[in-house]
Amino acid sequence: EVQLVQSGAEVKKPGESLKISCKASGYSFTSYWIGWVRQMPGKGLEWMGIIYPGDSDTRYSPSFQGQVTISGDKSINTAYLQWSSLKASDTAMYYCARGGTVRGAPPDSWGQGTQVTVSS
Amino acid sequence: QSALTQPASVSGSPGQSITISCTGSSSDVGDYNLVSWYQQHPGKAPKVVIYEGNKGPSGVSNRFSGSKSGNTASLTISGLQAEDEGDYYCCSYAGYSSYVFGTGTKVTVL
Repeated sequence: EVQLVQSGAEVKKPGESLKISCKASGYSFTSYWIGWVRQMPGKGLEWMGIIYPGDSDTRYSPSFQGQVTISGDKSINTAYLQWSSLKASDTAMYYCARGGTVRGAPPDSWGQGTQVTVSS
Repeated sequence: QSALTQPASVSGSPGQSITISCTGSSSDVGDYNLVSWYQQHPGKAPKVVIYEGNKGPSGVSNRFSGSKSGNTASLTISGLQAEDEGDYYCCSYAGYSSYVFGTGTKVTVL
């Protein structure tokens, strides 16, 4: 069974750094991309970017390029999303998701989400 | 990329059928048969109900079906049930390893 287990909720202050994780199991980690999706309070889903764990190739949505960093560690089947300097507007639920089986297919499995709250 | 356009809300009575549209462009929905649909209940992660345009995952009711015409994809829920209430999002491949979500539709069972 495919499982994506995300790290727990975080409460941070503006300007702090943060790295959240997504641990995959139940499939070959290097054979499917992992993406990150933001959902701000009461809002819709927004595509942030993806990583191909096999070669660490990453692609970002223009809206998030330069704002976050996506990385992965294939030795422990884990993908990461990090911020170097958080803003209040980063407050949101963040989901990781696995790419579909067919090349280019949207996600077919999702993590449970990580709530990030940024407040002074 | 602009978000795909969905109606803000759709409602129906139990047993009825409803259809949610998802309109994009020739760069996403119209160019690829790679649209998925997700159901999201409050406080929960999204769950795929249709993938690759019209395929139903195992374990998901066959009351969900998908189709596409030109730049518009559609999700139909037949035999509407109370448990179908929630938010629904479409998502399309947009080329160069990029994806775009729809604006989301709130489904209400009357």
